[in-house]
Amino acid sequence: KAGVTQTPRYLIKTRGQQVTLSCSPISGHRSVSWYQQTPGQGLQFLFEYFSETQRNKGNFPGRFSGRQFSNSRSEMNVSTLELGDSALYLCASSVTANYGYTFGSGTRLTVV
Amino acid sequence: AQRVTQPEKLLSVFKGAPVELKCNYSYSGSPELFWYVQYSRQRLQLLLRHISRESIKGFTADLNKGETSFHLKKPFAQEEDSAMYYCALHLYNQGGKLIFGQGTELSVKP
Repeated sequence: KAGVTQTPRYLIKTRGQQVTLSCSPISGHRSVSWYQQTPGQGLQFLFEYFSETQRNKGNFPGRFSGRQFSNSRSEMNVSTLELGDSALYLCASSVTANYGYTFGSGTRLTVV
Repeated sequence: AQRVTQPEKLLSVFKGAPVELKCNYSYSGSPELFWYVQYSRQRLQLLLRHISRESIKGFTADLNKGETSFHLKKPFAQEEDSAMYYCALHLYNQGGKLIFGQGTELSVKP
């Protein structure tokens, strides 16, 4: 059974650019969440989608957005990149949240 | 406000010694708690769910609502247990949102 797949693994972008990260959940998982991981702030919730609907959003500026497609695949977009957006972005999927989430390997974003 | 606190950034023990990684939470609702583990150069993975009351790789965790704690325990640590451990609180009435603690790095010395 394939795990959660995130692409690309690494990205280097320049300040002011925008970026799109992709996540393919485990087959049958309808809940997809995104997290930002940094050494200083740890793991912080970005947003969660279930059946193409955003159910919750974390405390991040509007530059951070996401969506989920009918096949449960999800993308997140960050516009007008800032140096502080450099982080590991993790995607996680679940059948139902109280069973726990399966995480992907992440996309390492570096903003220069 | 909802919060998860892991008071120890680093916990170092010798092989065969008991291990307890502390986790305290703040949440007015009925908590759903998890432990996740991240081994070196591997992805974050689920270790335990409090609702299942299971033992995984010799680890157990009991939810203590009176003390608002969910400490992770193992009676005899192994070198392969060395990893980063995260306690997480699921806010069931807010979709799939997890609040993570800052993590505790467990180092098991030979």
